[in-house]
Amino acid sequence: EAGVTQFPSHSVIEKGQTVTLRCDPISGHDNLYWYRRVMGKEIKFLLHFVKESKQDESGMPNNRFLAERTGGTYSTLKVQPAELEDSGVYFCASSQDVLTSFWTGGSYEQYFGPGTRLTVT
Amino acid sequence: DQQVKQNSPSLSVQEGRISILNCDYTNSMFDYFLWYKKYPAEGPTFLISISSIKDKNEDGRFTVFLNKSAKHLSLHIVPSQPGDSAVYFCAASTETNFGNEKLTFGTGTRLTIIP
Repeated sequence: EAGVTQFPSHSVIEKGQTVTLRCDPISGHDNLYWYRRVMGKEIKFLLHFVKESKQDESGMPNNRFLAERTGGTYSTLKVQPAELEDSGVYFCASSQDVLTSFWTGGSYEQYFGPGTRLTVT
Repeated sequence: DQQVKQNSPSLSVQEGRISILNCDYTNSMFDYFLWYKKYPAEGPTFLISISSIKDKNEDGRFTVFLNKSAKHLSLHIVPSQPGDSAVYFCAASTETNFGNEKLTFGTGTRLTIIP
């Protein structure tokens, strides 16, 4: 079974430019999360999709960040315009629905992708 | 305000000995706790979890202890192996809706196992 994949693995852009990060969750996982780790600090929650709907976007720092999950499959996170403080590693995670996991015997833990390292200069 | 704290940024342990990683939390609404392990250039990998109705959960060499009154949990690895060298993140969530909730992470502890 393929894990969570993220593209690109590394992006270097100048302040004011736009960057779009992509996440492909594990097939069948309705839940998709975005997290960010800045400067070796804690991993911070950004938002949570259930299928194509935003369940919780309380962690989004400001309106320069736009996340979408059209069709409930892959998700994109766009930063426009990028600022220096946006530098960090952006992680995507996916998980199975809790009730589905009980029926299938699977796990509902969050599985993380390798992350996209974003550097804004 | 950081709700999950890992006060030790690093820890070195001799191979074969016990590694103990600590984590404190401040939010009394947290009722589900997890440990994730992270290697360089990879995403965090789930290791073990514990619900607030328990005070101990064991999985092979890994045991997590929860002390709700002290708002403290710890991860014990015994015996420690070189492959255990990684950054360990403590995380917490609320399961009040019995659903898939966001995780609140600590800053991580870098564990180094000395051969």
